[in-house]
Amino acid sequence: NAGVTQTPKFQVLKTGQSMTLQCAQDMNHEYMSWYRQDPGMGLRLIHYSVGAGITDQGEVPNGYNVSRSTTEDFPLRLLSAAPSQTSVYFCASSSVGGTYEQFFGPGTRLTVL
Amino acid sequence: DAKTTQPPSMDCAEGRAANLPCNHSTISGNEYVYWYRQIHSQGPQYIIHGLKNNETNEMASLIITEDRKSSTLILPHATLRDTAVYYCIVRVGNQGGKLIFGQGTELSVKP
Repeated sequence: NAGVTQTPKFQVLKTGQSMTLQCAQDMNHEYMSWYRQDPGMGLRLIHYSVGAGITDQGEVPNGYNVSRSTTEDFPLRLLSAAPSQTSVYFCASSSVGGTYEQFFGPGTRLTVL
Repeated sequence: DAKTTQPPSMDCAEGRAANLPCNHSTISGNEYVYWYRQIHSQGPQYIIHGLKNNETNEMASLIITEDRKSSTLILPHATLRDTAVYYCIVRVGNQGGKLIFGQGTELSVKP
């Protein structure tokens, strides 16, 4: 049981490039989310999903796209990277019911030059 | 979701109880209080949550005031490994996948 996995761990992009951050979970969780964390700040919600085929915007969705074609995967796409998107990105998942505890991945450190 | 207010930093001596306060004066009747912590640059970790009753688990205790406008997370015997940023979050209980983080409290446990 790997929990929540994220790839890559580190990435450097040039302004204007696009890329996809991968997130997968093997706990059969319905809910999945993406957050970003800038230095010295708390996490901010980018997008989240309550199940396959259903996504919604969080606090800071601009510049990012998501889709949820399977329960296990929730990729985050940067359409045209900007230096303001330099951050650490965390993916999380949680199940319906119980504590609704969110399990977080190890994060992806993204630098946009 | 209701907003929360926490002190930016606190110190605690190793072995003593750490009491971390949180104000959530605009909390609604169907909103729970959740606590997470983030050690160094790792992903946040769930600690505990509650609606109106006090709660305890193997990690911590959560004390919620009767009017639910504030709460306190208690780490009964703090260790150096408890040094972290602690986030108090208020949200509707069944809204999984959506956590709105504030700035949190940076707890430093000192020997």
